[in-house]
Amino acid sequence: DTAVSQTPKYLVTQMGNDKSIKCEQNLGHDTMYWYKQDSKKFLKIMFSYNNKELIINETVPNRFSPKSPDKAHLNLHINSLELGDSAVYFCASSQRQSYEAFFGQGTRLTVV
Amino acid sequence: GDSVTQMEGPVTLSEEAFLTINCTYTATGYPSLFWYVQYPGEGLQLLLKATKADDKGSNKGFEATYRKETTSFHLEKGSVQVSDSAVYFCALTHGSSYKLIFGSGTRLLVRP
Repeated sequence: DTAVSQTPKYLVTQMGNDKSIKCEQNLGHDTMYWYKQDSKKFLKIMFSYNNKELIINETVPNRFSPKSPDKAHLNLHINSLELGDSAVYFCASSQRQSYEAFFGQGTRLTVV
Repeated sequence: GDSVTQMEGPVTLSEEAFLTINCTYTATGYPSLFWYVQYPGEGLQLLLKATKADDKGSNKGFEATYRKETTSFHLEKGSVQVSDSAVYFCALTHGSSYKLIFGSGTRLLVRP
């Protein structure tokens, strides 16, 4: 039973398109995150949600819009995709801040 | 702001060799420290953690000790296996922060 699941695993799309990535966790955690991993493997926080409320927006362009319909889901919608958006996007969850985070398998987004 | 510095890789070792991956951090107060591992094509998995000074985290033969005086959390393993080949990330989370701050990752390649 997958703890944090993301869909899709791979996403190839053209510049200018709009796409969404979905994330669900079945751990009962109250905090969820989106991280971006670039081509050099560097990981950086994008968003944090606690009990469906946005806590952190780490200077992400407003083309990126997260949505948390409930504590178990955190989706990421990206408008007007650009080449520089190509990366692996990881969803994660934890119980309260500062506790260990559990990561999904990642979504490899390629913008062509 | 808070930051994590890891030794650059790749680190290439023969099976059964001793492993050290250096990690130092900059943070006020007493952050919690983590090592995560990313196997090829997968998400991040928590390897071990330490939440206060002089704590030793350990798992699967890996160990790391939280050293406040040297602001370090070096990862060690006495005898590596081919299956340990992966990217290792040192990370911290601080106080009431809702994010993990990662080092740049160190790729480990273990040859038979």
